[in-house]
Amino acid sequence: DARVTQTPRHKVTEMGQEVTMRCQPILGHNTVFWYRQTMMQGLELLAYFRNRAPLDDSGMPKDRFSAEMPDATLATLKIQPSEPRDSAVYFCASGPGPGDSPLHFGNGTRLTVT
Amino acid sequence: AQSVTQLGSHVSVSEGALVLLRCNYSSSVPPYLFWYVQYPNQGLQLLLKYTTGATLVKGINGFEAEFKKSETSFHLTKPSAHMSDAAEYFCAVRFAFFGNEKLTFGTGTRLTIIP
Repeated sequence: DARVTQTPRHKVTEMGQEVTMRCQPILGHNTVFWYRQTMMQGLELLAYFRNRAPLDDSGMPKDRFSAEMPDATLATLKIQPSEPRDSAVYFCASGPGPGDSPLHFGNGTRLTVT
Repeated sequence: AQSVTQLGSHVSVSEGALVLLRCNYSSSVPPYLFWYVQYPNQGLQLLLKYTTGATLVKGINGFEAEFKKSETSFHLTKPSAHMSDAAEYFCAVRFAFFGNEKLTFGTGTRLTIIP
């Protein structure tokens, strides 16, 4: 079974440190999404890419967050500097395009900022 | 405006009882509809999807959902709950305007199964 792979699964860091989360989408999928999940806000869309080009990052705090796709097999989400309010589970999902094709999710990175 | 609403953030049912999780959407364009399940410490897993055609859709783990256009609903059901069904369930909608790839998620319903 093809899977979306996220690393690391868990990350604990101190406030002010840089955090990088990585995602390997399913081969052949041309869209990649980053979501953040918290108890208070639920699932929030942070950013998404089509064919490696960023299409929408309106959900992302621009001053500290950045998302990139250096190549078709890697998407990254960086937070610099990190803050305690960034503590959440971050999910990456990939999909083959619009229409009825579902998104496939990774198992997430659980980030704790102390 | 397009939106999706899940009624009931928590639902409890007895083992063996009917499971009914509600989802309604608001849209001016045809929707593609999905249900996902999330087990603890895992990502979201697709349960089923509705595209076009038959309005009753069968998914994994014995779940099914019925698309009712007149009620703008896509409720998820399972005839007999099992302990392993305890999880969080998300309804998601992709609104079918040109090139739209984004999924809009409901706020989720946590299902508890009572032994």
